[in-house]
Amino acid sequence: QKEVEQNSGPLSVPEGAIASLNCTYSDRVSQSFFWYRQYSGKSPELIMSIYSNGDKEDGRFTAQLNKASQYVSLLIRDSQPSDSATYLCAVRNTGGFKTIFGAGTRLFVKA
Amino acid sequence: DARVTQTPRHKVTEMGQEVTMRCQPILGHNTVFWYRQTMMQGLELLAYFRNRAPLDDSGMPKDRFSAEMPDATLATLKIQPSEPRDSAVYFCASGHYLGRMNTEAFFGQGTRLTVV
Repeated sequence: QKEVEQNSGPLSVPEGAIASLNCTYSDRVSQSFFWYRQYSGKSPELIMSIYSNGDKEDGRFTAQLNKASQYVSLLIRDSQPSDSATYLCAVRNTGGFKTIFGAGTRLFVKA
Repeated sequence: DARVTQTPRHKVTEMGQEVTMRCQPILGHNTVFWYRQTMMQGLELLAYFRNRAPLDDSGMPKDRFSAEMPDATLATLKIQPSEPRDSAVYFCASGHYLGRMNTEAFFGQGTRLTVV
């Protein structure tokens, strides 16, 4: 079992819809969770971080964390074609800074 | 403009040659990561350092890969000898970790390595 798992997609949604991206992790004591966006040929860039159970909203993005279920998700509201990218889930362990990434989910937003 | 700088951006080399990739972390960051990204494996953690000391290099093939931080402003990843299966994009990232106060990892633009 991989440490961080994501559905590779592609996930295709129409413009204006909600895109839902999911991630599960295996290390129960993980403390910090991140969503990065990576455009083709570019480096990953952070879009959301979440540290405690519940929802965290930032503009059109909402991250959701459920530590009991070892599950973290990202919702993108009012999806735009410019949101088309690969979304990487990252998990940081406790007691250190080791950050492990999932393989990423490719999102296509159709105009 | 604080950013992680990687050189070279692109490298094409023949199998068996030595390859050295360099990374300048963001000034003041005390943690540096090396990742390798391929279509098949995604973003794999190769090694990471804190305060220039290696904390974990378990993701790195030890027989041909080596990672060092000669000083706080330079991290290097070396492959000797290189093989075609090493072809990938290698990312360096840096962050600052200080107990409960820490930053996320900021990525450099990557080195695209092709071994022929």
